[in-house]
Amino acid sequence: EAGVAQSPRYKIIEKRQSVAFWCNPISGHATLYWYQQILGQGPKLLIQFQNNGVVDDSQLPKDRFSAERLKGVDSTLKIQPAKLEDSAVYLCASSRTARGTDTQYFGPGTRLTVL
Amino acid sequence: GQQLNQSPQSMFIQEGEDVSMNCTSSSIFNTWLWYKQDPGEGPVLLIALYKAGELTSNGRLTAQFGITRKDSFLNISASIPSDVGIYFCAGQEASGSRLTFGEGTQLTVNP
Repeated sequence: EAGVAQSPRYKIIEKRQSVAFWCNPISGHATLYWYQQILGQGPKLLIQFQNNGVVDDSQLPKDRFSAERLKGVDSTLKIQPAKLEDSAVYLCASSRTARGTDTQYFGPGTRLTVL
Repeated sequence: GQQLNQSPQSMFIQEGEDVSMNCTSSSIFNTWLWYKQDPGEGPVLLIALYKAGELTSNGRLTAQFGITRKDSFLNISASIPSDVGIYFCAGQEASGSRLTFGEGTQLTVNP
């Protein structure tokens, strides 16, 4: 079974530029998550989708971050405009359902550096 | 919001030694999870705990869900070089709610 795919793996941009990340979850997984992991910290949830609907986006900085999962499969996360403090690894994860007993499987992440 | 305090921050041990790390929370959790993250990869689930007092093993790893539901520990016995990585605890207040991760324990195993 293929895992969670993310691209690109690395991105370097200047502050105030825009950037987008892509995630393809495990086939059949209804729930998709985007996490931000700053160096030296644990992942922090940005947004959770159930199919193509948003379940939790309470920790998403909505003035600059947006995410969509239009067909309930792939998802994109966008930052516009980027700030220096957005430098982090952006992890995508998916699970079969949103039940707590369903394991979240993580992708390898996209490492973003904002100069 | 919830806070998870994970300790120690880092550990340097010799191959063959046992390791213990723990997490404490300001909130009650219904689920405790332990993940391992290798460089350049996402976290991988090691052990999941769903009931207070539960003790669960996965090979050389053993984890317990604290009776107060505010803490959990992970033990690794007879460490080997491939145990190197960052270990994260994560808690969930209710089924389907967001995971809160600890800050991680960086483990180094010297051969």
